[in-house]
Formats: sequence, structure tokens, C-alpha cells
Amino acid sequence: GAVVSQHPSRVICKSGTSVKIECRSLDFQATTMFWYRQFPKKSLMLMATSNEGSKATYEQGVEKDKFLINHASLTLSTLTVTSAHPEDSSFYICSANPIAGASYNEQFFGPGTRLTVL
Amino acid sequence: AQSVTQLGSHVSVSEGALVLLRCNYSSSVPPYLFWYVQYPNQGLQLLLKYTSAATLVKGINGFEAEFKKSETSFHLTKPSAHMSDAAEYFCAVSVAGNQFYFGTGTSLTVIP
Repeated sequence: GAVVSQHPSRVICKSGTSVKIECRSLDFQATTMFWYRQFPKKSLMLMATSNEGSKATYEQGVEKDKFLINHASLTLSTLTVTSAHPEDSSFYICSANPIAGASYNEQFFGPGTRLTVL
Repeated sequence: AQSVTQLGSHVSVSEGALVLLRCNYSSSVPPYLFWYVQYPNQGLQLLLKYTSAATLVKGINGFEAEFKKSETSFHLTKPSAHMSDAAEYFCAVSVAGNQFYFGTGTSLTVIP
């Protein structure tokens, strides 16, 4: 149980295009999902906290207009990288926090999405 | 505020030797503590977690960690390293499972 999926797993796009990444909790509901960015050989940097039915909370230094987050349901959050540029190339990981149950104090992580902007 | 410090960004051990990865935390309230493992180009897999129950926590793949409040530590150990243990390891602290704070990671190399 407690599986989180991400789609796509890998995407290559041209500079200036927008890319949408989906994060789904497959067998549990999550009012809160988190989006992280990981640079090569670096730790995870929290970008934003996605709240179902309300606006996302962005960490300092993260451009909300560039990284659009939508949490439309209790099982789906999306991250859209708008007008992507090569510096946006990175590994993006989402996680979800179950509403209730034995694992309510955990976050379950998706497998990540490798974004390459040419 | 919560934070995590992982001492040693790179650790090398011989196959069969003890693995010790260090993690110290800072938290203003009783924390939840986690160890995750990450293989290349993959997400994070939970190894074990401490959530105010037993201070010695056993996880998957033979790993365990001990919560020591007096030392604000949560070091990860494994008695005998295996080649498949080579990966990146992250310690994390959270309050009630909400926002997680990750350490900078420790890359474990296992020498045959």
C-alpha cells in the first residue's frame, strides 16, 4: 500500500515550452502533497506544499508563476513548469501525506521525473 | 525550527563491514525521524522511521537506527555491508509528518 506515482518519468522539451508533471496517490487520499527538486548529487529542496482545494504554499525563492501547482483532488497534484529553460532541468520528486491511518505521519515519495530542457 | 545534519557526505566501507551513517537533528518539539535510501534516478524509499515508540528502530534490508534524545542523534547502522547497499542515504525530520526537512545526504560506497 501507500504508492505514489509520477508521470512522466522522463521528459525532454525545448526551451520555452511548458511541461506538466502529475503526482498521484494510488491507494490513499492525501490533502497535502509536496514537490521537491533535486540537483545532481544534492539533497531534496522543498519547492512547495500542495493543498487540496486551496492555493499551494511556495518556499522562499521559488517562483510561483513559473512552477504552477494544482491539487484538484485528494489523489492528484500537478506541477507545471512554464516557459521552461535549461536551468530548470532537474529531478522533480513529489510526496504525499496520507489523511489518516497508521501512516498519517509519513510522506510517501513518487519515483521522480527527470526533466531535461534543451 | 527543525533541521538535520548528516556528517560525512561520502562513506566507504568494505563488503561485510559495519555501516554507520550519522544523523543529528534539531527540533523544538518531539520529532519524527526517518531514513530514506535513494538509488540512481529513482525516488526515495523508506528504510525506517522513529515516531516516539521504541528508541531502537529496525528497518528493511537489515538496517536499524537508535534515537538518542540526549545526543539529538539518529544514526543508521547495519552490521554487515552488502554491495547492494551502495546508494544515497537521507535522514529527515518532521513534526507530525507534515513538512519534512532533509539532510544533505550521505553517499555510501561498498568496496568488494
